[in-house]
Amino acid sequence: GAGVSQSPSNKVTEKGKDVELRCDPISGHTALYWYRQSLGQGLEFLIYFQGNSAPDKSGLPSDRFSAERTGGSVSTLTIQRTQQEDSAVYLCASSGDRGSPTDTQYFGPGTRLTVL
Amino acid sequence: AQSVTQLGSHVSVSEGALVLLRCNYSSSVPPYLFWYVQYPNQGLQLLLKYTSAATLVKGINGFEAEFKKSETSFHLTKPSAHMSDAAEYFCAVSSAGGSYIPTFGRGTSLIVHP
Repeated sequence: GAGVSQSPSNKVTEKGKDVELRCDPISGHTALYWYRQSLGQGLEFLIYFQGNSAPDKSGLPSDRFSAERTGGSVSTLTIQRTQQEDSAVYLCASSGDRGSPTDTQYFGPGTRLTVL
Repeated sequence: AQSVTQLGSHVSVSEGALVLLRCNYSSSVPPYLFWYVQYPNQGLQLLLKYTSAATLVKGINGFEAEFKKSETSFHLTKPSAHMSDAAEYFCAVSSAGGSYIPTFGRGTSLIVHP
């Protein structure tokens, strides 16, 4: 079946502009995660959605970052007033279990964001 | 709190040689441990995971890892490297009773020479 998809694959924007990144999780998966991957920095957790529960936003680096998940499926990560330090690969992952710490995460290919 | 340290941002081996990628974790409660692999321009995919059953875990593509509580380690090994193993490898930890969101290490880039 289809895996996790993300769009766009690449995004180049100017400093100060807003961007929206989209994630389509695996059908039926209740959990959805956003991560930021910077060169040599590993994966930085941003936000976690589980079913209809309130999202865990503890990883969002500033109030310029927000995310929503509509209908328990597609998610959009929005970055307002982009800064050059926002340049990174943004990864989305989904999992089918109910927030178990043993969950396997299934990752999308990522969106490479470049802020000029 | 939980954390992961991957020693060596780059590891270089010859084709056919042993692969050893190191991962040490810190967790105040029993951990669950994962190794993920990321090929160029792709997302991460699970290689293997330790979930408190057997301490020696076998994964895909001939990789295995051993959970050693006394050493707080979960090193990844493969007896014989193949060119197709060249990729970025990430170790991650989550905890029973702790954070259900895995904490990832910084990654180790495996380079395989002919």
